[in-house]
Amino acid sequence: NAGVTQTPKFQVLKTGQSMTLQCAQDMNHEYMSWYRQDPGMGLRLIHYSVGAGITDQGEVPNGYNVSRSTTEDFPLRLLSAAPSQTSVYFCASSYGGESTEAFFGQGTRLTVV
Amino acid sequence: DQQVKQNSPSLSVQEGRISILNCDYTNSMFDYFLWYKKYPAEGPTFLISISSIKDKNEDGRFTVFLNKSAKHLSLHIVPSQPGDSAVYFCAASERGIQGAQKLVFGQGTRLTINP
Repeated sequence: NAGVTQTPKFQVLKTGQSMTLQCAQDMNHEYMSWYRQDPGMGLRLIHYSVGAGITDQGEVPNGYNVSRSTTEDFPLRLLSAAPSQTSVYFCASSYGGESTEAFFGQGTRLTVV
Repeated sequence: DQQVKQNSPSLSVQEGRISILNCDYTNSMFDYFLWYKKYPAEGPTFLISISSIKDKNEDGRFTVFLNKSAKHLSLHIVPSQPGDSAVYFCAASERGIQGAQKLVFGQGTRLTINP
């Protein structure tokens, strides 16, 4: 039962570096999304996708890019990392329609120095 | 401005008693409300949800109440067990492109169940 798998679990970047956070799900879910969690705050939506080739911005999209070429994968790209992007990142997936349950990965803890 | 608020950062309850976690929201367009539970170093896991057209939903020891006029919901856990110790997030659902569910989270409440 893999569910939603995120890699890596931990990452340290220098300011200005780029990287891609990987997310894969094996439940054939239509919807996938990325959230970030900062201390004292709830999770905030970065980007989401409703299927291959279709993505949209969430509440905090600046500095991040996404694309979805397959149903299974939804990578999140940091183009030029900044200390403000230090956070824990969660990927989630869910069925389409009226489903209310989203399944989350274990998270990626990113530190930008 | 935060659309979903959990005003209690922490709550401590004795084992066997009732735990009540509260959540307030401002957007009348939310169509579902959900509670997620989170252990350290893990992702949130879904607990229970309620449609905006209902006022109560029950699942075992967990009951969620929705008061639309007050824009308030609460999660009741009865009886509380040590394994319930975790951070609880309230979330509200709004719709994006093609009806996609977009979750808006509160800040979380850390629940500690004392033996």
